[in-house]
Amino acid sequence: AQSVTQPDIHITVSEGASLELRCNYSYGATPYLFWYVQSPGQGLQLLLKYFSGDTLVQGIKGFEAEFKRSQSSFNLRKPSVHWSDAAEYFCAVGPRGSSASKIIFGSGTRLSIRP
Amino acid sequence: ETGVTQTPRHLVMGMTNKKSLKCEQHLGHNAMYWYKQSAKKPLELMFVYSLEERVENNSVPSRFSPECPNSSHLFLHLHTLQPEDSALYLCASSQDPAGGSEKLFFGSGTQLSVL
Repeated sequence: AQSVTQPDIHITVSEGASLELRCNYSYGATPYLFWYVQSPGQGLQLLLKYFSGDTLVQGIKGFEAEFKRSQSSFNLRKPSVHWSDAAEYFCAVGPRGSSASKIIFGSGTRLSIRP
Repeated sequence: ETGVTQTPRHLVMGMTNKKSLKCEQHLGHNAMYWYKQSAKKPLELMFVYSLEERVENNSVPSRFSPECPNSSHLFLHLHTLQPEDSALYLCASSQDPAGGSEKLFFGSGTQLSVL
Protein backbone atom coordinates (compact mmCIF):
# COMPACT_ATOMS: atom_id res chain seq x y z
CA ALA A 1 0.00 0.00 0.00
CA GLN A 2 1.14 3.52 -0.72
CA SER A 3 1.99 5.51 2.37
CA VAL A 4 3.98 8.41 3.72
CA THR A 5 5.42 8.31 7.21
CA GLN A 6 6.69 11.25 9.19
CA PRO A 7 7.95 9.61 12.37
CA ASP A 8 8.32 12.81 14.40
CA ILE A 9 5.06 14.39 15.50
CA HIS A 10 6.70 17.37 17.20
CA ILE A 11 10.26 18.69 17.17
CA THR A 12 11.72 21.62 19.08
CA VAL A 13 15.02 23.20 18.05
CA SER A 14 16.83 26.31 19.16
CA GLU A 15 16.93 29.32 16.88
CA GLY A 16 20.09 29.14 14.77
CA ALA A 17 20.40 25.38 15.12
CA SER A 18 20.23 22.97 12.21
CA LEU A 19 17.08 21.04 11.40
CA GLU A 20 16.27 17.72 9.81
CA LEU A 21 12.70 16.46 9.40
CA ARG A 22 12.28 12.85 8.39
CA CYS A 23 10.04 11.42 5.72
CA ASN A 24 9.79 7.83 4.54
CA TYR A 25 7.50 6.55 1.85
CA SER A 26 6.21 3.28 0.53
CA TYR A 27 5.40 3.32 -3.15
CA GLY A 28 5.35 0.95 -6.12
CA ALA A 29 7.74 3.06 -8.18
CA THR A 30 9.78 6.19 -7.60
CA PRO A 31 7.18 8.87 -7.06
CA TYR A 32 7.25 12.60 -7.22
CA LEU A 33 8.09 13.95 -3.75
CA PHE A 34 7.06 17.18 -2.06
CA TRP A 35 7.46 19.11 1.14
CA TYR A 36 4.75 21.58 2.14
CA VAL A 37 4.70 23.99 5.07
CA GLN A 38 1.64 25.24 6.94
CA SER A 39 1.97 28.31 9.13
CA PRO A 40 -0.65 28.81 11.86
CA GLY A 41 -4.01 29.79 10.40
CA GLN A 42 -2.82 29.30 6.85
CA GLY A 43 -3.08 26.77 4.06
CA LEU A 44 -0.20 24.66 2.84
CA GLN A 45 2.59 26.18 0.77
CA LEU A 46 5.00 24.20 -1.39
CA LEU A 47 8.58 24.34 -0.10
CA LEU A 48 10.20 22.12 -2.69
CA LYS A 49 9.62 19.17 -4.96
CA TYR A 50 11.64 16.33 -6.48
CA PHE A 51 10.74 15.01 -9.90
CA SER A 52 14.05 13.71 -11.30
CA GLY A 53 17.74 14.50 -11.65
CA ASP A 54 19.87 15.81 -8.81
CA THR A 55 18.76 14.10 -5.62
CA LEU A 56 19.51 17.20 -3.53
CA VAL A 57 16.71 19.67 -4.10
CA GLN A 58 16.77 23.31 -3.10
CA GLY A 59 13.57 25.03 -2.04
CA ILE A 60 12.29 28.31 -0.76
CA LYS A 61 13.16 29.87 2.61
CA GLY A 62 16.58 28.18 2.69
CA PHE A 63 15.26 24.62 2.87
CA GLU A 64 16.65 21.64 1.01
CA ALA A 65 15.75 17.96 0.82
CA GLU A 66 17.62 14.86 -0.26
CA PHE A 67 16.03 11.94 -2.04
CA LYS A 68 17.56 8.60 -1.09
CA ARG A 69 16.10 5.82 -3.20
CA SER A 70 17.78 3.03 -1.21
CA GLN A 71 16.19 4.26 2.00
CA SER A 72 12.88 5.41 0.49
CA SER A 73 13.45 8.70 2.26
CA PHE A 74 13.09 12.37 1.45
CA ASN A 75 14.33 14.27 4.51
CA LEU A 76 14.02 18.02 4.80
CA ARG A 77 16.93 20.07 6.12
CA LYS A 78 17.82 23.61 6.99
CA PRO A 79 21.27 24.65 8.27
CA SER A 80 20.04 27.40 10.61
CA VAL A 81 16.42 27.83 11.63
CA HIS A 82 14.68 31.13 12.28
CA TRP A 83 11.78 31.77 14.65
CA SER A 84 9.57 32.28 11.60
CA ASP A 85 10.14 28.64 10.60
CA ALA A 86 7.82 27.50 13.39
CA ALA A 87 5.04 25.72 11.50
CA GLU A 88 3.73 22.31 10.51
CA TYR A 89 5.60 20.48 7.77
CA PHE A 90 4.07 17.89 5.50
CA CYS A 91 5.81 15.41 3.27
CA ALA A 92 3.81 14.21 0.26
CA VAL A 93 4.18 11.80 -2.65
CA GLY A 94 2.43 11.46 -5.96
CA PRO A 95 2.62 9.16 -8.99
CA ARG A 96 4.59 10.18 -12.03
CA GLY A 97 2.56 11.37 -14.97
CA SER A 98 -0.68 11.69 -13.07
CA SER A 99 -3.04 14.20 -11.57
CA ALA A 100 -2.34 16.11 -8.38
CA SER A 101 -5.45 14.41 -6.99
CA LYS A 102 -3.29 11.31 -6.48
CA ILE A 103 -0.92 13.08 -4.06
CA ILE A 104 -0.96 11.61 -0.55
CA PHE A 105 0.27 13.43 2.53
CA GLY A 106 2.01 12.42 5.73
CA SER A 107 0.55 13.31 9.12
CA GLY A 108 2.89 16.24 9.54
CA THR A 109 5.66 17.31 11.90
CA ARG A 110 5.11 20.34 14.07
CA LEU A 111 8.24 22.44 14.47
CA SER A 112 8.69 24.70 17.47
CA ILE A 113 11.60 27.11 17.81
CA ARG A 114 13.25 27.75 21.15
CA PRO A 115 14.47 31.37 21.51
CA GLU B 1 -6.41 39.41 -5.76
CA THR B 2 -4.24 36.38 -6.42
CA GLY B 3 -4.10 32.78 -5.25
CA VAL B 4 -6.85 30.75 -3.65
CA THR B 5 -9.41 32.50 -1.45
CA GLN B 6 -11.71 30.74 1.00
CA THR B 7 -14.66 32.16 2.91
CA PRO B 8 -15.61 32.18 5.66
CA ARG B 9 -12.38 31.76 7.69
CA HIS B 10 -14.33 30.46 10.69
CA LEU B 11 -17.74 28.84 10.94
CA VAL B 12 -19.69 27.57 13.92
CA MET B 13 -22.83 25.66 13.18
CA GLY B 14 -25.33 23.45 14.87
CA MET B 15 -26.05 19.93 13.71
CA THR B 16 -29.34 20.98 12.08
CA ASN B 17 -27.95 23.94 10.17
CA LYS B 18 -27.21 24.21 6.48
CA LYS B 19 -24.19 26.23 5.43
CA SER B 20 -21.82 26.52 2.49
CA LEU B 21 -18.10 27.03 2.18
CA LYS B 22 -16.82 29.03 -0.77
CA CYS B 23 -13.54 28.83 -2.64
CA GLU B 24 -12.30 30.97 -5.51
CA GLN B 25 -9.03 30.57 -7.41
CA HIS B 26 -7.43 33.35 -9.42
CA LEU B 27 -4.65 31.25 -10.96
CA GLY B 28 -6.32 30.06 -14.15
CA HIS B 29 -6.12 26.44 -13.00
CA ASN B 30 -8.36 23.71 -14.32
CA ALA B 31 -8.70 21.53 -11.22
CA MET B 32 -10.02 22.29 -7.74
CA TYR B 33 -10.11 20.21 -4.58
CA TRP B 34 -11.61 20.00 -1.12
CA TYR B 35 -9.46 18.54 1.64
CA LYS B 36 -10.33 17.86 5.27
CA GLN B 37 -7.59 18.44 7.84
CA SER B 38 -8.15 16.94 11.27
CA ALA B 39 -5.67 17.06 14.12
CA LYS B 40 -2.90 14.44 13.94
CA LYS B 41 -4.28 12.93 10.72
CA PRO B 42 -3.07 13.16 7.13
CA LEU B 43 -4.94 15.46 4.81
CA GLU B 44 -8.00 13.69 3.48
CA LEU B 45 -8.98 14.37 -0.11
CA MET B 46 -12.75 14.77 -0.25
CA PHE B 47 -13.58 15.89 -3.78
CA VAL B 48 -11.85 16.80 -7.00
CA TYR B 49 -13.20 18.76 -9.94
CA SER B 50 -10.95 18.47 -12.95
CA LEU B 51 -12.05 20.01 -16.23
CA GLU B 52 -15.51 20.14 -14.62
CA GLU B 53 -15.61 16.40 -13.97
CA ARG B 54 -16.27 15.45 -10.38
CA VAL B 55 -14.23 12.79 -8.59
CA GLU B 56 -15.06 11.92 -5.03
CA ASN B 57 -13.69 9.96 -2.14
CA ASN B 58 -16.30 7.27 -1.50
CA SER B 59 -15.73 7.48 2.24
CA VAL B 60 -17.06 11.06 2.43
CA PRO B 61 -20.56 11.17 3.96
CA SER B 62 -23.44 12.48 1.86
CA ARG B 63 -23.94 15.37 4.28
CA PHE B 64 -21.10 16.99 2.34
CA SER B 65 -22.08 18.08 -1.16
CA PRO B 66 -19.71 19.86 -3.55
CA GLU B 67 -20.60 22.19 -6.37
CA CYS B 68 -18.32 23.56 -9.07
CA PRO B 69 -20.18 26.02 -11.32
CA ASN B 70 -17.03 26.93 -13.26
CA SER B 71 -13.28 26.38 -13.16
CA SER B 72 -12.72 29.29 -10.76
CA HIS B 73 -15.33 28.62 -8.09
CA LEU B 74 -15.94 25.71 -5.77
CA PHE B 75 -18.48 25.29 -3.00
CA LEU B 76 -18.95 22.75 -0.23
CA HIS B 77 -22.53 22.54 0.98
CA LEU B 78 -22.96 21.27 4.52
CA HIS B 79 -26.11 19.90 6.13
CA THR B 80 -26.90 17.94 9.29
CA LEU B 81 -23.25 17.69 10.23
CA GLN B 82 -21.89 15.78 13.21
CA PRO B 83 -19.42 17.01 15.84
CA GLU B 84 -16.72 14.76 14.33
CA ASP B 85 -16.94 16.87 11.18
CA SER B 86 -15.27 19.73 13.03
CA ALA B 87 -12.00 20.33 11.21
CA LEU B 88 -10.12 22.69 8.93
CA TYR B 89 -11.45 22.47 5.38
CA LEU B 90 -8.92 23.39 2.76
CA CYS B 91 -9.52 24.24 -0.85
CA ALA B 92 -6.75 23.77 -3.40
CA SER B 93 -6.23 24.16 -7.11
CA SER B 94 -3.77 22.87 -9.68
CA GLN B 95 -3.18 22.77 -13.39
CA ASP B 96 -3.91 19.22 -14.52
CA PRO B 97 -2.95 17.34 -16.56
CA ALA B 98 0.54 18.64 -17.11
CA GLY B 99 2.69 15.62 -17.71
CA GLY B 100 3.11 14.83 -14.08
CA SER B 101 1.88 15.37 -10.56
CA GLU B 102 1.65 19.09 -10.34
CA LYS B 103 1.87 21.10 -7.18
CA LEU B 104 -1.20 22.15 -5.27
CA PHE B 105 -2.01 25.72 -4.33
CA PHE B 106 -3.98 25.94 -1.09
CA GLY B 107 -6.31 28.48 0.42
CA SER B 108 -6.09 29.43 4.10
CA GLY B 109 -8.97 27.17 5.00
CA THR B 110 -12.26 27.37 6.85
CA GLN B 111 -12.11 26.29 10.49
CA LEU B 112 -15.42 24.55 11.08
CA SER B 113 -16.86 23.79 14.51
CA VAL B 114 -20.02 21.71 14.77
CA LEU B 115 -21.86 21.99 18.07
